[in-house]
Amino acid sequence: KAGVTQTPRYLIKTRGQQVTLSCSPISGHRSVSWYQQTPGQGLQFLFEYFSETQRNKGNFPGRFSGRQFSNSRSEMNVSTLELGDSALYLCASSLMSGGYNEQFFGPGTRLTVL
Amino acid sequence: DAKTTQPNSMESNEEEPVHLPCNHSTISGTDYIHWYRQLPSQGPEYVIHGLTSNVNNRMASLAIAEDRKSSTLILHRATLRDAAVYYCILRDNGGGADGLTFGKGTHLIIQP
Repeated sequence: KAGVTQTPRYLIKTRGQQVTLSCSPISGHRSVSWYQQTPGQGLQFLFEYFSETQRNKGNFPGRFSGRQFSNSRSEMNVSTLELGDSALYLCASSLMSGGYNEQFFGPGTRLTVL
Repeated sequence: DAKTTQPNSMESNEEEPVHLPCNHSTISGTDYIHWYRQLPSQGPEYVIHGLTSNVNNRMASLAIAEDRKSSTLILHRATLRDAAVYYCILRDNGGGADGLTFGKGTHLIIQP
C-alpha cells in the first residue's frame, strides 16, 4: 500500500499571501489529521477530519482551515501568512477516528514565509 | 488527554536492549498508550500502542504496569537506525478523541 503523500514538499511564500497544502491518505483510511512542527513549539495538533467533517480542532487561529473530500483526500489552507507560520506541516491518516487508532504520517510540507 | 513524563534523553549501545520509560499517573480508564518516534528529518512514525495488556509487534514491545500508571517501550536489539526522539502519548477513546499531543519525548542516542 502506498503511504501518506503530501504536496508540495517545499513551498516559499511571502507575508500576507495564502497557501493550500494537500494530503492523500493511505487507501481505505477515512481520518486525516494535520500537525504543525516548529523548533520552538514542537509538534502541535491543528485539526482532524473524518468523513468530510471536522472532528477536532487544536488551538490555532481561524486563519488555519481545512477540508476533506469524499475520497478522504484533505487540504489545509492558511490565509494571511505570517512569518511565524514557517514550519513543517504534517498530515497523518488513520483507518477511523478514535483514540485506539494509530496514525501514519506523511513526509510533510516545509513552508517558508518571507 | 492526560500528561506523560519521559526522560529527556537516554543512551544505549548498538545491539543491546533499550527500555524507554514513561509515567502517566493521571491516566484514565479509556486512555490508550501510544508510542511514536521521529527520526531526523522525517515525520513521526507509529511504533506501538496498547490499553492494558503487554503488546508486541515487529518493531518493539510495550510493557504496561498493572495499575497503568507507567509503561515501558522495549527495543529488543537496538540498531543505529533506532536513534530518534520517542514520544509516549495518551489518547482518550472515550469519544471525541483529540489529535496526538506530543511532548518533548526522549532523545535516544545509540552508540556503535
